Amino acid sequence: AQSVTQLGSHVSVSEGALVLLRCNYSSSVPPYLFWYVQYPNQGLQLLLKYTSAATLVKGINGFEAEFKKSETSFHLTKPSAHMRDAAEYFCAVSDTGTASKLTFGTGTRLQVTL
Amino acid sequence: EAGVAQSPRYKIIEKRQSVAFWCNPISGHATLYWYQQILGQGPKLLIQFQNNGVVDDSQLPKDRFSAERLKGVDSTLKIQPAKLEDSAVYLCASSLVPGTSGANVLTFGAGSRLTVL
Repeated sequence: AQSVTQLGSHVSVSEGALVLLRCNYSSSVPPYLFWYVQYPNQGLQLLLKYTSAATLVKGINGFEAEFKKSETSFHLTKPSAHMRDAAEYFCAVSDTGTASKLTFGTGTRLQVTL
Repeated sequence: EAGVAQSPRYKIIEKRQSVAFWCNPISGHATLYWYQQILGQGPKLLIQFQNNGVVDDSQLPKDRFSAERLKGVDSTLKIQPAKLEDSAVYLCASSLVPGTSGANVLTFGAGSRLTVL
């Protein structure tokens, strides 16, 4: 069975500061990994995905994530936070056999302060 | 392109009542999912359809939840009778058929928020 663990249910950063949201995965097969963002009262929107190509993945809105097999991690980063980045972020995993069946983490709420 | 449509957006019912949620996926997306998102938790898959057939309903509480996708397009999720712990956002998502390029990208609707009193 696959799972992801998101460390920190709440993260607060100042505008312009580095954003780092942590995700560790557990999978018995090479995983596909995803980050989704959820703005208030909206559905989830895909930020980026890793599907066994390049280990550094660039997504929308300036976010990127690096797949590190040795650390079983897929942390999400952004060099400079904007107020509009305030949202809930979910890491998710699927196996390569049923790539569309996602298992989500519990989410990290990002707060951006002035 | 139009997104995944869901209705109603909000529903408040009393326990033991019934409720139904509707979803219209993106045109051409053969795979449809219903997820349950309880406050403070990540979405949990309830049921997955491919066209009008069920692929996975292992986490669907079948004593009270049912779902159908009769013509392989729209889908309805029903809860009867509702319990307090069913209070959640019910998210519908769709994707291309597995094995198709881009099939691992799910597009989500805005969700239907259920409050059971």
